[in-house]
Amino acid sequence: KAGVTQTPRYLIKTRGQQVTLSCSPISGHRSVSWYQQTPGQGLQFLFEYFSETQRNKGNFPGRFSGRQFSNSRSEMNVSTLELGDSALYLCASSLAGTSGSEQYFGPGTRLTVT
Amino acid sequence: KQEVTQIPAALSVPEGENLVLNCSFTDSAIYNLQWFRQDPGKGLTSLLLIQSSQREQTSGRLNASLDKSSGRSTLYIAASQPGDSATYLCAVRRGDRGSTLGRLYFGRGTQLTVWP
Repeated sequence: KAGVTQTPRYLIKTRGQQVTLSCSPISGHRSVSWYQQTPGQGLQFLFEYFSETQRNKGNFPGRFSGRQFSNSRSEMNVSTLELGDSALYLCASSLAGTSGSEQYFGPGTRLTVT
Repeated sequence: KQEVTQIPAALSVPEGENLVLNCSFTDSAIYNLQWFRQDPGKGLTSLLLIQSSQREQTSGRLNASLDKSSGRSTLYIAASQPGDSATYLCAVRRGDRGSTLGRLYFGRGTQLTVWP
């Protein structure tokens, strides 16, 4: 069974641009979460989607947004990029989106903003 | 707000040693606790999941315990090998602002080096 896949794996963008990252969950998983990992802040929760609905959101500015499609694939978008947005963006999927579900992470997208 | 702390931040040991990694959390109202492994520049690999009603879980050379009342978990690695070298992250899942799904709160990790 294929794991969580994320595309692209690496991105270099310029300040002010926008970027879209994609995540395909494990087949049959309906919940997708996004996390940002930086050396300074560690892993921080961005948002969680289940059945195309955002169920939870972290403390990030409105420049960070996401969506989930009917096939459970998810995208996140960051507009007006800032240098501080440089990070590893990780996507996680879980089977049922319940509080007890195990989370499985993808390899991440490394975003560099110059 | 949930705070997760991992001690030690780094650990360097010779091959064959038995290890204990510690994780503590401030709010005991958690759904579950998950231990992950992260290799440099890579994503997270789930090692063990302990539900809030459980006390421990085992997988091969790994054993994780959970004491919810005291806000502590330990990851025990038996007979360590160089291939165990990685950063080990502890995360707790708890409810968040009325959401029944909650989110994962992560510690900063323990960077483990096992040398031959």
